[in-house]
Amino acid sequence: GENVEQHPSTLSVQEGDSAVIKCTYSDSASNYFPWYKQELGKGPQLIIDIRSNVGEKKDQRIAVTLNKTAKHFSLHITETQPEDSAVYFCAARGAGTALIFGKGTTLSVSS
Amino acid sequence: ETGVTQSPTHLIKTRGQQVTLRCSSQSGHNTVSWYQQALGQGPQFIFQYYREEENGRGNFPPRFSGLQFPNYSSELNVNALELDDSALYLCASSLPGQGGQYFGPGTRLTVT
Repeated sequence: GENVEQHPSTLSVQEGDSAVIKCTYSDSASNYFPWYKQELGKGPQLIIDIRSNVGEKKDQRIAVTLNKTAKHFSLHITETQPEDSAVYFCAARGAGTALIFGKGTTLSVSS
Repeated sequence: ETGVTQSPTHLIKTRGQQVTLRCSSQSGHNTVSWYQQALGQGPQFIFQYYREEENGRGNFPPRFSGLQFPNYSSELNVNALELDDSALYLCASSLPGQGGQYFGPGTRLTVT
C-alpha cells in the first residue's frame, strides 16, 4: 500500500523567511496530493492540493510542487507570519479512497 | 455553508465499553470518511461511506464499524474499547470524484 514520508519533523524560521516541507510517496498510482494545516485543538484544514497532471500550483503565499518521476512533492510558504505556526501534514491518495498522511511537520515562526 | 461538525468533543470511556461518535457532513457533501489520529501522528484512515455503504476500509479490526444516514450524517462505533483506542477521531466530508476532504474538529476519546 501507499506510504508517505515527510521531512523535517520540526522547522523553525524567522518571520518573513520561507519554509519548505518535503514529502515522498511510494505508490506510483497516487494521483492527488493535499496539504493540511492543523492548529492545536482543531481538525486539519485543507490549505492547498495538487493533482498528478499538474507540476506546480500557487495560492498567494503558498505553493506546492510535484515531481512524479521522483515521487515527491513539496510545500513552500513564503513571507512566513507567526499565524503560520502549526502542524502541517502532506497526504497522498492512490487508487483507493483513503488519504495516506505523513507524520507531520511542526512549523514555528518567531517574530 | 455549514462545515463538518462532530459530537461529542470529548469523552472518557472504560476499557471494554462501547462508544458511538457522530458526524454531520458539510452541506452538499455525500461522502464521509473517518480517521484516527494518535498523539503526534498523522490521521489514519478507518473507513469511508458513500450512499450509506462502506466504500473503502483501512487496517482497522471489525470492532470499528460505521453507518451513514440518508441525510449523509454518519456514526462511528467502536466495541470492546482498548487503551490504544485513545485518540482524536476525525470525520471528513467530500464529494465523490473530487479530491478535497474537509475535516471536522474531531472527538477526543480517552480510554482508561
